[in-house]
Amino acid sequence: AQKITQTQPGMFVQEKEAVTLDCTYDTSDQSYGLFWYKQPSSGEMIFLIYQGSYDEQNATEGRYSLNFQKARKSANLVISASQLGDSAMYFCAMREGWYSSASKIIFGSGTRLSIRP
Amino acid sequence: DGGITQSPKYLFRKEGQNVTLSCEQNLNHDAMYWYRQDPGQGLRLIYYSQIVNDFQKGDIAEGYSVSREKKESFPLTVTSAQKNPTAFYLCASSVGGPPGGQPQHFGDGTRLSIL
Repeated sequence: AQKITQTQPGMFVQEKEAVTLDCTYDTSDQSYGLFWYKQPSSGEMIFLIYQGSYDEQNATEGRYSLNFQKARKSANLVISASQLGDSAMYFCAMREGWYSSASKIIFGSGTRLSIRP
Repeated sequence: DGGITQSPKYLFRKEGQNVTLSCEQNLNHDAMYWYRQDPGQGLRLIYYSQIVNDFQKGDIAEGYSVSREKKESFPLTVTSAQKNPTAFYLCASSVGGPPGGQPQHFGDGTRLSIL
């Protein structure tokens, strides 16, 4: 069965430092998509970055980059130059059944990131 | 502006009562989803729908029901059979069908509590 694992329940990082949030996944599909979302304390879910299983280059969006290692089935999120506003829960997610009309998205348990001033 | 509207923001349920959470989107998305989030936890999929008049159970469908009579609307009913309904409920939508690279857009959520 498809599964997303985030092994870091919480992390503390000094402001302006880079931080890596870990995500490993398990799927038997050859085609899949990986997503990262940010959830501030207010509760809304904010889409950050996406990586397709066939994408040859790692995805980047501003200060966010995705370190995609397909053979190891890992999709770690890297935040460069962290800011106080980055303090939030971060979720890794995967779309399974990519080419199926019944595809669904599953989420990991999340990592709570706290940025120290 | 296009988006997803969930209502109400807060909802209280009495024992033995069914309650319905509303989710409306004007993004013209085919796919819609309901997730449950318990404090400090991740999102667990309750139900999802890829097209009008069709929906599939997610991982924790017991005690919940949905309908998809219109493309824009995907209401979730929490029935009395759901013995522990206190949670944060999130509705999401996305472009349906392949390829699967479209992210989900989320509503602001509904917090459900037992009276």
